[in-house]
Amino acid sequence: DSGVTQTPKHLITATGQRVTLRCSPRSGDLSVYWYQQSLDQGLQFLIQYYNGEERAKGNILERFSAQQFPDLHSELNLSSLELGDSALYFCASSRQGSNTEAFFGQGTRLTVV
Amino acid sequence: QQQVKQSPQSLIVQKGGISIINCAYENTAFDYFPWYQQFPGKGPALLIAIRPDVSEKKEGRFTISFNKSAKQFSLHIMDSQPGDSATYFCAASKTGFQKLVFGTGTRLLVSP
Repeated sequence: DSGVTQTPKHLITATGQRVTLRCSPRSGDLSVYWYQQSLDQGLQFLIQYYNGEERAKGNILERFSAQQFPDLHSELNLSSLELGDSALYFCASSRQGSNTEAFFGQGTRLTVV
Repeated sequence: QQQVKQSPQSLIVQKGGISIINCAYENTAFDYFPWYQQFPGKGPALLIAIRPDVSEKKEGRFTISFNKSAKQFSLHIMDSQPGDSATYFCAASKTGFQKLVFGTGTRLLVSP
């Protein structure tokens, strides 16, 4: 158990809908990262938050957004969902702003039908 | 320049054998190279990592070899066991930047 908690584990939704994925980092970790894992794209970095503020942005679509709350949990919001958004979404956390020793949660499997 | 190329895509090794997975990177600014192990239905778990100031790092049966001039690094799993069957990802990042750039993964099957 990495100590990173993601909910829900599975999510099935229709095209055009909006969903929210939740991540609770390891105790004491200030950084949260979101990654998308799909069969054709592999593991892709989406976005990182550090102590409530956006720190880095990767290949995140404009339809996607994230935030980190004062209690350090993070949410990834996906809207206007398309079939191609079906993937595993992982959250990872680390102690400092650096991404060394990032610990991953078990992921949320999103299926868009 | 941000890519990390990983090979092979899949690998079958007999129990007790050596598993070798290779990665190559392009960005010479990368200075942190971790390997992650992922079992089905689980998130990637950090296995071992190396920085370019050393050419080799060993932890138990797992060894990273690093060749800075060739911009390559590899994972060796000695005495491979069926429990090692998983997908392995190499990754790279540079200090001060936040994202890990992952290889495409290697599916390892260790036959009994």
